[in-house]
Amino acid sequence: EVQLVETGGGLIQPGGSLRLSCAASGFTVSSNYMSWVRQAPGKGLEWVSVIYSGGSTYYADSVKGRFTISRDNSKNTLYLQMNSLRAEDTAVYYCARPPYWGQGTLVTVSS
Amino acid sequence: NFMLTQPHSVSESPGKTVTISCTRSSGSIASNYVQWYQQRPGSAPTTVIYEDNQRPSGVPDRFSGSIDSSSNSASLTISGLKTEDEADYYCQSYDSSNPWVFGGGTKLTVL
Repeated sequence: EVQLVETGGGLIQPGGSLRLSCAASGFTVSSNYMSWVRQAPGKGLEWVSVIYSGGSTYYADSVKGRFTISRDNSKNTLYLQMNSLRAEDTAVYYCARPPYWGQGTLVTVSS
Repeated sequence: NFMLTQPHSVSESPGKTVTISCTRSSGSIASNYVQWYQQRPGSAPTTVIYEDNQRPSGVPDRFSGSIDSSSNSASLTISGLKTEDEADYYCQSYDSSNPWVFGGGTKLTVL
């Protein structure tokens, strides 16, 4: 059974950093493309970043230069390193390996 | 960059059939697969259609997807509506420059 479990969310001050994790089971992270998608309160889904099986990474313009997607094959885990956080980054962050989604982790950027 | 446009809301009665459209602003809808996600209030998204018209295991055959090149749009059709189908629905596609593009979402009310 495929499972994706995100952790690492929380309350962080503007300008701070946070690292989200997405622990995968039932498949191999390195053999699949995986994405981070976020949803601000009361808003729609917004794609954040993707990493392909070959290691190529891409980012939405809104997070480029601040967020970094990576994976640890030994832990079968996907990460999202978020730096220079802004209030507008407040959202529930989901990891996804289509057609599967995690349950999400809430990031709140506020002073 | 292309956009995917969905109606903000649709409503229909239990037992009826509803169709939600997703129109691509530029580039051919047939060139890249379309996915559809269901998101019930307070829950993570789940995939109801992938690769235009494929259903993940566990998704009832009341859900179907199609594309129409003449209108450059994709459609999600739900037949035999149930109150549990009440949710937000998002279409998603991509191209070589944009790994994930979401529609704005459609709120389905089953009344």
